[in-house]
Amino acid sequence: DTAVSQTPKYLVTQMGNDKSIKCEQNLGHDTMYWYKQDSKKFLKIMFSYNNKELIINETVPNRFSPKSPDKAHLNLHINSLELGDSAVYFCASSQVRTNSYEQYFGPGTRLTVT
Amino acid sequence: LAKTTQPISMDSYEGQEVNITCSHNNIATNDYITWYQQFPSQGPRFIIQGYKTKVTNEVASLFIPADRKSSTLSLPRVSLSDTAVYYCLVGDNPPRGAGNMLTFGGGTRLMVKP
Repeated sequence: DTAVSQTPKYLVTQMGNDKSIKCEQNLGHDTMYWYKQDSKKFLKIMFSYNNKELIINETVPNRFSPKSPDKAHLNLHINSLELGDSAVYFCASSQVRTNSYEQYFGPGTRLTVT
Repeated sequence: LAKTTQPISMDSYEGQEVNITCSHNNIATNDYITWYQQFPSQGPRFIIQGYKTKVTNEVASLFIPADRKSSTLSLPRVSLSDTAVYYCLVGDNPPRGAGNMLTFGGGTRLMVKP
């Protein structure tokens, strides 16, 4: 059983388009995240979200927005795509507990903007 | 968040023990040390976390000296399948309301050779 799943696995699109990446977790976790891994392999947090709070990394452009229809899903919407948005996007989830830094990551979505 | 420094890459041979050291000179009193593993084309996977002394699980051991300014991830008897990037992270305790926004550094690329 896949714990954290993402769709699509690959996404190729043109500049200026709007696209979404879906994420689902079946672990019953209360918090979900989006990370971006660029061509140099640096992994950066974009958002952290649960039903209480959304935390946005200040470096994330407002063209990016997370949307959570329910506790098990956190989708990533990207408007007006730019070449620099090309990267691998990872969704993750965790159960927030004191002293725990264990997060479960999805397989990633490779976004290519042409 | 405390900055971490790791070797960019390491080579090893099958069956050897591998020790990857991470420096975190500015670690705060409440910070925990966490290690993740990332295989090519996959999301990171939690390996181990600790606060002081030694922690061991079925995958690895984590050694933390008394001053906590560094930590060493020890992988016993590595195999080819242990070839991956290993990330050392230092985080706050307790986590904030919307979870832990993990900060990944460059990681250590471990290559296990036959």
